[in-house]
Amino acid sequence: EIVLTQSPATLSLSPGERATLSCRASQSVSIYLGWYQQKPGQAPRLLIYDASNRATGIPARFSGSGSGTDFTLTISSLEPEDFAVYYCQQRSNWPFTFGPGTKVDIK
Amino acid sequence: QVQLVESGGGLVKPGGSLRLSCAASGFTFADYYMGWIRQAPGKGLEWVSYISTRATTIYYADSVKGRFTISRDDAKNSLDLQMNSLRAEDTAVYYCARVLGYYLDYWGQGTLVTVSS
Repeated sequence: EIVLTQSPATLSLSPGERATLSCRASQSVSIYLGWYQQKPGQAPRLLIYDASNRATGIPARFSGSGSGTDFTLTISSLEPEDFAVYYCQQRSNWPFTFGPGTKVDIK
Repeated sequence: QVQLVESGGGLVKPGGSLRLSCAASGFTFADYYMGWIRQAPGKGLEWVSYISTRATTIYYADSVKGRFTISRDDAKNSLDLQMNSLRAEDTAVYYCARVLGYYLDYWGQGTLVTVSS
């Protein structure tokens, strides 16, 4: 099973600041990594697929990069609605696994 | 618009059974893989199972293999998860989701399953 680790566990930032979230895989997943956003009491929402492609309707301030084992989700300028938990997910090998999440909260 | 609505959650005793359903609308259900994902209270996400179009391919997480069965009814636009031999560690919110390229592009709001005596 491919294990995903995310860092940091919590990121405390102010609106307007840049957020950089990391996801590392225990073995190469090529580009087959996605990112989700989850707000309290809501289902997750797909943001990024295949490392760098924005899902339908996702604002351009969200971008993804990386390949192999190291990936990054960047939010260029945090909006109030971006404070949430972010999960990465690999689809390289079954079982498709998720990282433990990074919480982005308001500083 | 795409809608996924789960039902069937509730309180069940250890060793008991429960059947979850997901009603899909707003897209051609038969054309998509579908999946079940769960989230234990305050915890992260676990992909439990997925089913391909025409049910030709089915996968389960090791944690539920042999106990859970996923199925679909394309005529009714419905996805089910039959859960047997339930354990306390199966307690979670269960989400139905549409699978696109093995990512989950639409999710339901979830249904809570609590396994407790």
